[in-house]
Amino acid sequence: DAGVIQSPRHEVTEMGQEVTLRCKPISGHDYLFWYRQTMMRGLELLIYFNNNVPIDDSGMPEDRFSAKMPNASFSTLKIQPSEPRDSAVYFCASKTATYEQYFGPGTRLTVT
Amino acid sequence: KNEVEQSPQNLTAQEGEFITINCSYSVGISALHWLQQHPGGGIVSLFMLSSGKKKHGRLIATINIQEKHSSLHITASHPRDSAVYICAVISGGATNKLIFGTGTLLAVQP
Repeated sequence: DAGVIQSPRHEVTEMGQEVTLRCKPISGHDYLFWYRQTMMRGLELLIYFNNNVPIDDSGMPEDRFSAKMPNASFSTLKIQPSEPRDSAVYFCASKTATYEQYFGPGTRLTVT
Repeated sequence: KNEVEQSPQNLTAQEGEFITINCSYSVGISALHWLQQHPGGGIVSLFMLSSGKKKHGRLIATINIQEKHSSLHITASHPRDSAVYICAVISGGATNKLIFGTGTLLAVQP
């Protein structure tokens, strides 16, 4: 298996623009997680899905952030409008019920 | 106070030294992860454990549930072990949320 795939790997955008981050989980994994990593706050869980259904979105910063999982092999995290404080590395991870999480390579987002 | 505390925050060692990184947590957990992140790199899960001890190569992880404490040991350290090591716990109950420590930055000098 190719592991968790994220795209793009790097994104530079201007404040106010819409940003969409994409994730393909490992086939057969029924949990998918979105995390954000910053120097100030470390790793934070934003939202996670089980069987494509959002289970806990309490970490989503505000209404500018939204996440969807239309099917078992694809998820998006959207920021609209983006702000400089959204600059971070965004990780996607997936797992099965009883095993550890596998992380994707991350998307480094820079909002200028 | 963070729910997951790691020590030390920074650690410099000479190649070949035995290294210990500690993790203490204040919540009930169902499992604990040790993660590794190289500078500018992705995150790799080293161990997931809920009791006792696990070993993989030069890495050993232990957990004491009663004391709410875990340690990660690296034997015969090597410069390629230089990375950030992150402890993360899955809180007890019907949840899959990871609660992360702030990480330990390890530098192993040749």
